[in-house]
Amino acid sequence: QEQLQQWGAGLLKPSETLSLTCDVNGVSFKDYFWSWIRQPPGKGLEWIGEINHTGFTNYNPSLKSRVTFSVDTSKNQFSLRLNSVTAADTAVYYCARAINQGDYDRIEFWGQGTLVTVSS
Amino acid sequence: SYVLTQPPSVSVAPGQTARITCGGNKIGSKSVHWYQQKVGQAPVMVVYDDADRPSGIPERFSGSNSGNTATLTITRVEAGDEADYYCQVWDSRSECVVFGGGTKLTVL
Repeated sequence: QEQLQQWGAGLLKPSETLSLTCDVNGVSFKDYFWSWIRQPPGKGLEWIGEINHTGFTNYNPSLKSRVTFSVDTSKNQFSLRLNSVTAADTAVYYCARAINQGDYDRIEFWGQGTLVTVSS
Repeated sequence: SYVLTQPPSVSVAPGQTARITCGGNKIGSKSVHWYQQKVGQAPVMVVYDDADRPSGIPERFSGSNSGNTATLTITRVEAGDEADYYCQVWDSRSECVVFGGGTKLTVL
């Protein structure tokens, strides 16, 4: 059974770095792209970007300067780092499994989400 | 960047048909995917590639896509269908996943 289990710090101060990791079970890590999406409280979905097992990445242009993705293929895990956070980065962060075929991308399965709050 | 426009809300009585639209420039040339998000839960894909259903999604959920509008149709609406629905495409120009703003479906 497929599972995406994510974890990371839930409370940050402004200017700190957000760090989340997602553990993948039940599917082949090498066959998909691994995505991060966020959702501010009461608002819609915002795609942050994605990475595959080779380290190939796609980014939301609006966040690219502050985002780093990484993968650990030995553990079937992928991670997100977002630096210089502000209150505007307060959101539920989801990890997810995606299919990307160049001119095509869909998100097939989502993790449970982690609420990250940025407050002084 | 590419913009997807959804109505903020749609209301329908139980047993009726709900139609949720997603507008975008020449969206008919793209593959559109739809997600259902119930309160407090992660989104779930309900339609992909304009009109296909993932395993386990009822046949009541269907989609279409032509011109500048994609549509998610839910027939015989049930109370359990009440949720936010998001459309999504890939914008090849910016190499970016784009979501619509979401539509809240209320079952009266």
